[in-house]
Amino acid sequence: DQQVKQNSPSLSVQEGRISILNCDYTNSMFDYFLWYKKYPAEGPTFLISISSIKDKNEDGRFTVFLNKSAKHLSLHIVPSQPGDSAVYFCAASANSGNTPLVFGKGTRLSVIA
Amino acid sequence: GAVVSQHPSRVICKSGTSVKIECRSLDFQATTMFWYRQFPKQSLMLMATSNEGSKATYEQGVEKDKFLINHASLTLSTLTVTSAHPEDSSFYICSANEEEKLFFGSGTQLSVL
Repeated sequence: DQQVKQNSPSLSVQEGRISILNCDYTNSMFDYFLWYKKYPAEGPTFLISISSIKDKNEDGRFTVFLNKSAKHLSLHIVPSQPGDSAVYFCAASANSGNTPLVFGKGTRLSVIA
Repeated sequence: GAVVSQHPSRVICKSGTSVKIECRSLDFQATTMFWYRQFPKQSLMLMATSNEGSKATYEQGVEKDKFLINHASLTLSTLTVTSAHPEDSSFYICSANEEEKLFFGSGTQLSVL
């Protein structure tokens, strides 16, 4: 049973527009969520996180929204840039981030110039 | 931010040989490190949790005698794939906690011929 789901395996967005990547989770014990960006043959790079006590966290072009009642979070990238093209992983953890992360399968974002 | 160094980045070996992968936290001490494995087009799957000075905790389905983990110091964890077989070919990634964030190594692409 997949506890963290990214239902869209891929997404294409035009440069300058908004990219919205979605993530759903099933485990109500999760209280800390993170987004990672991964290029081929490289390790994931931390992008942004959000604790369950918040519903929004913003860092530059990246904003993460959390809807606890729907067990849903999303990552917004605006404006999208060609360098944002990568695979984005949603991850969740319980115990305020002190347990191993559970990852979604990732969404491949392609930003078209 | 914190840096986790992993090497080698790529290794090709013959079936039946053993391969050691090193993971170092360069500017912080990590009592806990995690080892993940990623198959093509799939999520990052946690293999084991490596604890400094004690035995690693393996996830269900991961053979501890095949994937030997040693965490001898606060900055170094090693994963040894013993008697590697072609089905062990994969991308292996280590990570370490600093505060609430998880930082990843750059990964090791293992190809077993």
